[in-house]
Amino acid sequence: EAGVAQSPRYKIIEKRQSVAFWCNPISGHATLYWYQQILGQGPKLLIQFQNNGVVDDSQLPKDRFSAERLKGVDSTLKIQPAKLEDSAVYLCASSLDHRFYDNEQFFGPGTRLTVL
Amino acid sequence: AQTVTQSQPEMSVQEAETVTLSCTYDTSESNYYLFWYKQPPSRQMILVIRQEAYKQQNATENRFSVNFQKAAKSFSLKISDSQLGDTAMYFCASGPSGGGADGLTFGKGTHLIIQP
Repeated sequence: EAGVAQSPRYKIIEKRQSVAFWCNPISGHATLYWYQQILGQGPKLLIQFQNNGVVDDSQLPKDRFSAERLKGVDSTLKIQPAKLEDSAVYLCASSLDHRFYDNEQFFGPGTRLTVL
Repeated sequence: AQTVTQSQPEMSVQEAETVTLSCTYDTSESNYYLFWYKQPPSRQMILVIRQEAYKQQNATENRFSVNFQKAAKSFSLKISDSQLGDTAMYFCASGPSGGGADGLTFGKGTHLIIQP
């Protein structure tokens, strides 16, 4: 079974530029999550999707971050404009269906973003 | 709201020894899960073990076991017969169950080093 795919693996941009990350979840997984992991910290949830709908985006900085999952499969996370403090690893995870109690989240390898 | 605290930034033990990683948490959820994830240098988060809060019996997975003290809100991970491949960051996490928003809240992690 293929795991969660993310691209690119690394990205370096200048502050105020825009950037986009892509995630393809495990086939058949209805729930998708984006986490931000700043160096030296644990991941922090940014947004959770169920199919193409948003379940939780309470911690997403909506003035600069946006995310979509238009067809309920792959997802894109965008930052525009980027700030220095956005330097982090962006992790995507998926689960079969968050409505089931014994759900397990499977993580992708992450995208490391460096903002100069 | 949920918080997860890992008070040991780094631990080092000799191969084949037993090591215990500490974690405390706080949650307003009545039903929740607790997790230990392993993150090697490759950044891929791997689930080590999971505990459902309503179950009194401590979870075990081969060399990995937990000591879950619900009243004390403590969830420690014991690794027996440690191996070089256990070297990684270990994150404790909690997440609500019940079918709603279930993004995980992570601690800051413990860097575990297994010495040969």
